[in-house]
Amino acid sequence: DVKVTQSSRYLVKRTGEKVFLECVQDMDHENMFWYRQDPGLGLRLIYFSYDVKMKEKGDIPEGYSVSREKKERFSLILESASTNQTSMYLCASSLLGRTYGYTFGSGTRLTVV
Amino acid sequence: DAKTTQPPSMDCAEGRAANLPCNHSTISGNEYVYWYRQIHSQGPQYIIHGLKNNETNEMASLIITEDRKSSTLILPHATLRDTAVYYCIVSPESYSGNTPLVFGKGTRLSVIA
Repeated sequence: DVKVTQSSRYLVKRTGEKVFLECVQDMDHENMFWYRQDPGLGLRLIYFSYDVKMKEKGDIPEGYSVSREKKERFSLILESASTNQTSMYLCASSLLGRTYGYTFGSGTRLTVV
Repeated sequence: DAKTTQPPSMDCAEGRAANLPCNHSTISGNEYVYWYRQIHSQGPQYIIHGLKNNETNEMASLIITEDRKSSTLILPHATLRDTAVYYCIVSPESYSGNTPLVFGKGTRLSVIA
């Protein structure tokens, strides 16, 4: 089965910590995405990448950065975690240009205390 | 901003057809209509997409009006496992660039026994 794997299902971090959320896909997809999901706000795009070492800002990039050193891995970094970054984070991947074929991971529920 | 309008919630009796509407009155000629769904505690899952013609696959049917300003996703025989949030998205399917999907708030479908 093809997969997008997120390293942690649940994570609790302290305010001010640097947090790494990891996402790995085994489908040789070019595109990778990070969304966050909050009640009443739906899914919002944070960053995406369509190639190794490439990144594009989404709708809410503030407070986040990303890293894509290898095709299969896309990391989301919270430089200094804050309580308003408590959320469900979802990673997805797709073939280049093929917007119908998004495969999502199961999500990481991050709580910042 | 999402370019679609969906009812926030709907109910459907188990075994009956579930018809989920979506308005996309500002859709452009090169934009497709995509449907995803998100079952509780999972990442969204691709269902179906179309441009002008009606489409059917093993999961659902997509009916797009002739003027393309609205569409309906049909689950022919809803089961309890179809209880989920359903997202209708319009986006170009571009092979030369990348336009990430923008998810709205979707329709919460409850299938009732």
